[in-house]
Amino acid sequence: AQSVSQHNHHVILSEAASLELGCNYSYGGTVNLFWYVQYPGQHLQLLLKYLSGDPLVKGIKGFEAEFIKSKFSFNLRKPSVQWSDTAEYFCAVTTFKAAGNKLTFGGGTRVLVKP
Amino acid sequence: SQTIHQWPATLVQPVGSPLSLECTVEGTSNPNLYWYRQAAGRGLQLLFYSVGIGQISSEVPQNLSASRPQDRQFILSSKKLLLSDSGFYLCAWSEMGLAGLGYFGPGTRLTVT
Repeated sequence: AQSVSQHNHHVILSEAASLELGCNYSYGGTVNLFWYVQYPGQHLQLLLKYLSGDPLVKGIKGFEAEFIKSKFSFNLRKPSVQWSDTAEYFCAVTTFKAAGNKLTFGGGTRVLVKP
Repeated sequence: SQTIHQWPATLVQPVGSPLSLECTVEGTSNPNLYWYRQAAGRGLQLLFYSVGIGQISSEVPQNLSASRPQDRQFILSSKKLLLSDSGFYLCAWSEMGLAGLGYFGPGTRLTVT
């Protein structure tokens, strides 16, 4: 069964700093990869996804993620964060063999951006 | 547009009492439906998913059950709650055949006392 690891549980940084959140998955076959974000008091929402093609994926709010197949990684990046990026971020994976398109999530990373 | 509703938003129940959480989806047909439990530091754990009316798949053995009596209705239940059932429960959906979840509901905070 697939699993997803997010190594940083908490990240604190200042506005304008760069952000990179690590995500590694364990599955040897073809995968679809996702980053979700949960802002304080709001629903989980999709930030970006990789299905196929260009391994560098751009999402909403200036986020991007790079799929490196050889490293089983899908790290999330943002060059310059804002206070409004304070949220919890979840990496998730699904495979073509996953019945019902079910997603496996990582443990999440809480990001606090100080103004 | 698609909308997903969950209720109640918060619930406090004593140990041994029954549970019924409801989720309904609007604006789509024949969705895949999911129940997740979110615990701090442990991400989202998939509890159940359904690819159609009356079709329920359970991911983890537990004190809970799920039912899908209608195409866009998904119910999470328990006959007797345990303390360990406390948590934040999220309903979600995806379109059939498309990878990745479409939307998550607002969630239900369940506290078992």
